Amino acid sequence: GAVVSQHPSWVICKSGTSVKIECRSLDFQATTMFWYRQFPKQSLMLMATSNEGSKATYEQGVEKDKFLINHASLTLSTLTVTSAHPEDSSFYICSARSSGGYAQYFGPGTRLTVL
Amino acid sequence: GENVEQHPSTLSVQEGDSAVIKCTYSDSASNYFPWYKQELGKRPQLIIDIRSNVGEKKDQRIAVTLNKTAKHFSLHITETQPEDSAVYFCAAIIVWSSNTGKLIFGQGTTLQVKP
Repeated sequence: GAVVSQHPSWVICKSGTSVKIECRSLDFQATTMFWYRQFPKQSLMLMATSNEGSKATYEQGVEKDKFLINHASLTLSTLTVTSAHPEDSSFYICSARSSGGYAQYFGPGTRLTVL
Repeated sequence: GENVEQHPSTLSVQEGDSAVIKCTYSDSASNYFPWYKQELGKRPQLIIDIRSNVGEKKDQRIAVTLNKTAKHFSLHITETQPEDSAVYFCAAIIVWSSNTGKLIFGQGTTLQVKP
């Protein structure tokens, strides 16, 4: 149980294009989903928190117009990196928590490379 | 806001020895403390967690202790094996009844178990 999938696992795109990453909870309903960014050999940095049906809450310093988050259903959240630039290259990981639960489960991550 | 400090940043032990990783947190309202193991390029995996109403929890070779007064918690791995080699992250969170709250991660500890 408590499986979170993420797609794609890796993506290479040209500078200026937009990239969408999907995060799905496969066997539970995720009231809350989180998006993290991780640089090599560093910890996970929370970008935003999203609750199903409401606007995402972004962490300080994260541009909400650049990182668009949608949590349209209890099993799906998407992160769209708009007008990507090389400095957006990173490992993006989503996680999900079920309603009333404490534990948070992570997706396998998406490696984004912007050329 | 919450701040989590993790030590040491790297830890090398001989196979069969014990490993201890320590974390301190700043917000006394934090009530849930998970530990994650992350292998290179993979997702963080929840290995053990503890709630603030418990002082210690054990699962086979892994144990976590919590000292609420001192605001620190530790991960203990006994009889270490080479496959325990990974990066370990502690985290702290305040989980409210409405399922809100966000994990704040420590900086990570790279554990190397030498055969």
